Amino acid sequence: EAQVTQNPRYLITVTGKKLTVTCSQNMNHEYMSWYRQDPGLGLRQIYYSMNVEVTDKGDVPEGYKVSRKEKRNFPLILESPSPNQTSLYFCASRPLQGSQPQHFGDGTRLSIL
Amino acid sequence: KNQVEQSPQSLIILEGKNCTLQCNYTVSPFSNLRWYKQDTGRGPVSLTIMTFSENTKSNGRYTATLDADTKQSSLHITASQLSDSASYICVAGNFGNEKLTFGTGTRLTIIP
Repeated sequence: EAQVTQNPRYLITVTGKKLTVTCSQNMNHEYMSWYRQDPGLGLRQIYYSMNVEVTDKGDVPEGYKVSRKEKRNFPLILESPSPNQTSLYFCASRPLQGSQPQHFGDGTRLSIL
Repeated sequence: KNQVEQSPQSLIILEGKNCTLQCNYTVSPFSNLRWYKQDTGRGPVSLTIMTFSENTKSNGRYTATLDADTKQSSLHITASQLSDSASYICVAGNFGNEKLTFGTGTRLTIIP
């Protein structure tokens, strides 16, 4: 089954404690992206990657890091989380060419205390 | 600044009735218009994608329309079912870099 898998689904942690949210896709998609979703706001892009070792900032990259060492994986790293990063996070992937639909994971709800 | 505005913010209708959700976008240069369905606790799922040259696209009981001149799109749901209760998100794509701008969604509730 074609899917985007995020882990963990839920995480409560404290300010300053480094964390990583993993994202994996099994569709051989070149393009992967991270979004955050906050009440009253549309999904906002954090970082994206158009292929292995190619990453770029989205609209709200501050406080986040990513890496793309393998095509299928695109982890999101919060080196020193702060309460304003409490949010619902989604990973997505799609083929690079054309106007293709994005496939989203089921989200990771992060609470930073 | 690229923007996508959706209306209404929320809508409640009886099961079996039809409804139409609206989307206005300001994205330049415009490439495509997407509609996603997001169930509570799940990631968005693609319903339709229309390029700037397309006027309408259907996916079962969902029919999306696009007027690129007025920068408006609509999503029409026919014979609503309880499972249609969800948020519906309109997304506009830029030509070239395929950057997506998301609307805040319309929360649709179907009551029996």
